Amino acid sequence: QQQVRQSSQSLTVWEGETAILNCSYENSAFDYFPWYQQFPGEGPALLIAIRSVSDKKEDGRFTIFFNKREKNLSLHIKDSQPGDSATYFCAASGNSNNRIFFGDGTQLVVKP
Amino acid sequence: NTKITQSPRYLILGRANKSLECEQHLGHNAMYWYKQSAEKPPELMFLYNLKQLIRNETVPSRFIPECPDSSKLLLHISAVDPEDSAVYFCASSQWDRANERLFFGHGTKLSVL
Repeated sequence: QQQVRQSSQSLTVWEGETAILNCSYENSAFDYFPWYQQFPGEGPALLIAIRSVSDKKEDGRFTIFFNKREKNLSLHIKDSQPGDSATYFCAASGNSNNRIFFGDGTQLVVKP
Repeated sequence: NTKITQSPRYLILGRANKSLECEQHLGHNAMYWYKQSAEKPPELMFLYNLKQLIRNETVPSRFIPECPDSSKLLLHISAVDPEDSAVYFCASSQWDRANERLFFGHGTKLSVL
């Protein structure tokens, strides 16, 4: 059973639009939700993360909205730029172990 | 990213033996090997905490990890199989914050003939 699901395998937006990437999870024990950004030929890198005690986390153009009751979250990328084109992995973990569960990723393309 | 270095960057193999190398310069005490197949998320293969193998996922026995010291990690591969074609990432973290942030290297792209 997949622990973390991302609803879209790919997403295309125009430059300047807000890209919305959706994610859901199964395990209620998860309490930390990082998003990793991966460019071609590179390893994933932490972009932004949220703890389950919060419902929103903002960092510049990137915002996570979190709904604990529905067990879903979304990453909003405001004013998308072509340089944001990458694969975004939603992930989840709990304090009981140090395992991180990754979703399958959403490949974002921002067209100029 | 020069904080975690991996070598080689690219590897083309027939049914041969080879070792992948990784070194982290972050002072972390946990190191990982991940396998990423095309258009898939990274999958955890091995985890070392303070040089001790903590978790060994269901990985074929032809993959053997080694941690000579807390900053270095090796992955020995013997008699590779075509299904092993993937990018192998080394990662590191502080063990007590392992679920918060992983730092990944650039990866070794393995192509099996």
